[in-house]
Order: sequence, then structure tokens, then C-alpha cells
Amino acid sequence: DAKTTQPPSMDCAEGRAANLPCNHSTISGNEYVYWYRQIHSQGPQYIIHGLKNNETNEMASLIITEDRKSSTLILPHATLRDTAVYYCIVRVDGQAGTALIFGKGTTLSVSS
Amino acid sequence: GAVVSQHPSWVICKSGTSVKIECRSLDFQATTMFWYRQFPKQSLMLMATSNEGSKATYEQGVEKDKFLINHASLTLSTLTVTSAHPEDSSFYICSAAHGLAGYEQYFGPGTRLTVT
Repeated sequence: DAKTTQPPSMDCAEGRAANLPCNHSTISGNEYVYWYRQIHSQGPQYIIHGLKNNETNEMASLIITEDRKSSTLILPHATLRDTAVYYCIVRVDGQAGTALIFGKGTTLSVSS
Repeated sequence: GAVVSQHPSWVICKSGTSVKIECRSLDFQATTMFWYRQFPKQSLMLMATSNEGSKATYEQGVEKDKFLINHASLTLSTLTVTSAHPEDSSFYICSAAHGLAGYEQYFGPGTRLTVT
């Protein structure tokens, strides 16, 4: 799997949008971008994934650049409960037997 | 979404004893399950991939004789830490891949192991 680069930490005020960047300059054409998050002492939680089009669900939006070398996860209205480590992972889709490989992620701290 | 459970959620054991951790997919069948280990302030490290009815595939550096994995059914995988030592103290997390939704892996809540 291609490697990703994320800033180690970010801060965000409650109620504001949190924009988490991820670089994946060596991503292959058939690799998707996934985002997971891990709240302290819990298992990771799936957030969203995409190939090249922007995606939105009830949790977040994913913006992927046209060259697919980077992406941004957007939490539109961050709350204190969004404080967590956010992981950006690239992987070929449809391969349920392939493990997710986690990098160091971005620690997002949301404060009031 | 699909639910994965782990049991126990935390366990304390004495050095030299063995500990078994269970991972169950509650509402779907998982042909593949994964085991991760996470030390404090570090990321998740993949330990092994477990396929139902076959031997697990271990990552480099993970001792297969120390971390025994059994995936006897489509809803249950177990990890046994044999002859545990204090350095095995960690947060162990399993995940299960839903056969029909290959893009998502569902994670259990984790098991905190402390070896004294």
C-alpha cells in the first residue's frame, strides 16, 4: 500500500470546521483513500472513503485533489466528541482480505 | 453498521500465564479477521491476518508460537498470548472484514492486557 503523510496534531474550536490534510503522492490508480478515527482507548471507527470524486456522508466530507496526490477530511461542525486520532489510509478497494495499515495519524483536539 | 465485540475488555494476568482474547462478529460473517497491537501513544500495528478454517498469517517479527490465533468459525477468532511477560502488556484490537462490503473493516473495542 502507498504511504500517507499527515500532520501529527491539529487544534480546532468547537463548532468550527476541522480540515485534516493527507498527502499520498504515490497512490496507485486503483487505490482508494480511507479515513478512520480512534477515540482514546477504543477501536478505530470508519469515517469515509473515496477514489477520485468528493464524498460526503453524515459524519464528514472527503475532498480529493484532481491529481489524487492529496486529500482533506472535513468535519463541518466539530464537537468535543470529535477529539481523536484521525488516520488516512490508502488501499485497493474490494479486498476484504487485505488489512488496513495504520500510520501515525493526526491527533485532533477540539476545545470549547 | 456491523458490530464486532471483544472479550474481555481488560485483563490482568501474572507473568508466565496464558491469556485468551475473543473477537466476535455479531451480525455478519467474517471470512477474514485481523489482530492488531497498540502500545501507549503509538499507532496500531498489524500482528496477523486470520482466515476462517486456515492458519493465520503473521507479520514479520510476530512470534506465532507466542501469539496463537484460531479462527474456527465465521464469527469467532481467538488470540492466545502464551507465557505472557510484562512487555506483552498492550491494547489488543481485532477487526473483521465483511465479505459483501470489502471496503469496510469493522473494529472491536479492544482488550487491555496488563501482565504483572
